[in-house]
This record gives sequence, structure tokens and C-alpha cells, in this order.
Amino acid sequence: EAGVTQSPRYAVLQEGQAVSFWCDPISGHDTLYWYQQPRDQGPQLLVYFRDEAVIDNSQLPSDRFSAVRPKGTNSTLKIQSAKQGDTATYLCASTRGDQDTQYFGPGTRLLVL
Amino acid sequence: QQKVQQSPESLTVSEGAMASLNCTFSDRSSDNFRWYRQHSGKGLEVLVSIFSDGEKEEGSFTAHLNRASLHVFLHIREPQPSDSALYLCAVRGGSALGRLHFGAGTQLIVIP
Repeated sequence: EAGVTQSPRYAVLQEGQAVSFWCDPISGHDTLYWYQQPRDQGPQLLVYFRDEAVIDNSQLPSDRFSAVRPKGTNSTLKIQSAKQGDTATYLCASTRGDQDTQYFGPGTRLLVL
Repeated sequence: QQKVQQSPESLTVSEGAMASLNCTFSDRSSDNFRWYRQHSGKGLEVLVSIFSDGEKEEGSFTAHLNRASLHVFLHIREPQPSDSALYLCAVRGGSALGRLHFGAGTQLIVIP
């Protein structure tokens, strides 16, 4: 069974530039999560979906971040105007329902100069 | 708001010696506790999940939950240098949203 895949693996931007991250969850997993993990910290939830619906986006900085999952499978997380404080690893995870173990992708490491 | 704290921040042990990691949480209604491992530059690998007080063993990893004292421990039996990684504690509160809250992690270094 293929795991959660993410792309790109690395991104380097200047402040003010935009970037998109892509996630393909495990087949059959209806719930998808995006986390932000700053260096030397644990992951912090940004947003999560069940199928195509947003369940919780309360921690997503809505002025610059957006996330979609239009067909309830793949998902895209976008940062419109990146800031140095956005430097972090962005992790995607998926699960069946919200009761089961979350399986994580390898992450996208973002550096904003 | 759930608070999850881990200690120590960093732990160095010799190969074969038991390693013990500590995690405390603040929400007494928490119902789901997991330990993850993250090698440098990699994603998170689930090690053990525990849902009720007591112990749960998965290979060389044992989780011990004491809900009354708001602690969940991870013991690593006979760690190898390949076990050197960041160990993360994740706790889910009892609310309907099912969010996982992570600690900042313990960096484990296993010396040959």
C-alpha cells in the first residue's frame, strides 16, 4: 500500500512570493490533515478535511494561507505571500475517520529568505 | 486548550541501555495517546498507541499511561544507534473535533 506522498520535498522562496504544496493521501482515507512544524517544535495543526469539507481551519492564517481538497482525495495548501516566519516543514497526514492512526507523509521543507 | 509537554528536551544513552521519555498533558478528557518517531528530514512514524491506563507494548517500545497524573511515558528497550531520532508525543482531547496536539519532542541520541 502506497503511503502519503507530498511534493515538492523542498522549497526556497523570497518573502512575498507564493508557493503551493501538494498532498496525495493513502487510498481510501477520507480524512486529511495539514500540519506546520517549525524547527525544533512538534507539528501544529493548520487545517483538516473530511472528504472535501473543511472540518477545522481555526489555526490557518486565513489572510495568506488557503487549503482545498475539491474531490475529497488530493489536497493543495497555498501560501499567498510568504513571510520568514513561515519557514517550517509542512506535513500532510491521512486517516480513515478521525479515530484511527494518522499516517504522515515525508513533508515539504520550506525556507523563506 | 490542551497543553502537551515533553521531557527531557534531549537524551543521550548508550546502545542497549533503557531510554525513558516523559509526556504530560493538561486535558483530563483526553482519550487517545500516541508516540511518533521522526528521523531527520523524514515524516512521522507511529510507534505505539494507547487508549486506557496501563501499558501497551509494540516491539521494543512500551507506552505507559497514567491518566490520573496526566502522564504518558515511552520506554525504549535496548535502543540501537538507528533509534536516534526526534520522539513526539501526541494527545487527542475528548472533544468532537478529534485534533491531535503534539509536544515539542525529545531528541534521542544513542551512542554505539
